[in-house]
Amino acid sequence: EVQLVESGGGLVKPGESLRLSCAASAFIFSSHTMNWVRQAPGKGLEWVSSISSTSTYIYYADSVKGRFTISRDNAKNSLYLQMNSLTAEDTAIYYCAREYSSRARFDFWGQGTLVTVSS
Amino acid sequence: QSALTQPASVSGSPGQSITISCTGTSSDVGGYNYVSWYQQHPGKAPKLMIFDVSNRPSGVSTRFSGSKSGNTASLTISGLQAEDEADYYCSSYTSSSTYVFGTGTKVTVL
Repeated sequence: EVQLVESGGGLVKPGESLRLSCAASAFIFSSHTMNWVRQAPGKGLEWVSSISSTSTYIYYADSVKGRFTISRDNAKNSLYLQMNSLTAEDTAIYYCAREYSSRARFDFWGQGTLVTVSS
Repeated sequence: QSALTQPASVSGSPGQSITISCTGTSSDVGGYNYVSWYQQHPGKAPKLMIFDVSNRPSGVSTRFSGSKSGNTASLTISGLQAEDEADYYCSSYTSSSTYVFGTGTKVTVL
């Protein structure tokens, strides 16, 4: 069964950095575009970033551009999100999601990892 | 990248049909047939219900259907059931090669 398991969340202070990971299993990771989507407490979903299967195409939401960096290691079946200059507005559950065949078709999601930015 | 506009809440009685709208612009919803819908129960990850405007993934009930007209997409749930009570989000591909989600709709089964 397809599995996506996020890790790396935690409590950090404003201005600090954090690196999230997403471990994928039971599918050919290197064939899929992957995404990060976040959800602030009690709020809606917000798309954060996407990376194509070979890392050729990378996109970011305006809210994180210049501060966050998405990457992947296909040999390790892993997706990453390096988050720098964190602010309280970045507090959220961060989900990794697989994109399957069609754009905007996020067919599998991890359980999420909570990032809290607070002094 | 403004969020797509959805009604905050929609309710219906068991067995009834409800429709959730999702309004964007010609740069997202209106420009592509890449609209998806997600169901999210409290404390759970989102679940894909509809992709490419009107297609259902395997395993999703036929009671869920999607459509689009101009810059507005819609999700219809027919034969409403208690288990359908959840938050629903639309999502669209955009002309900037990014994605945008809707503001979310809370569905209540009366």
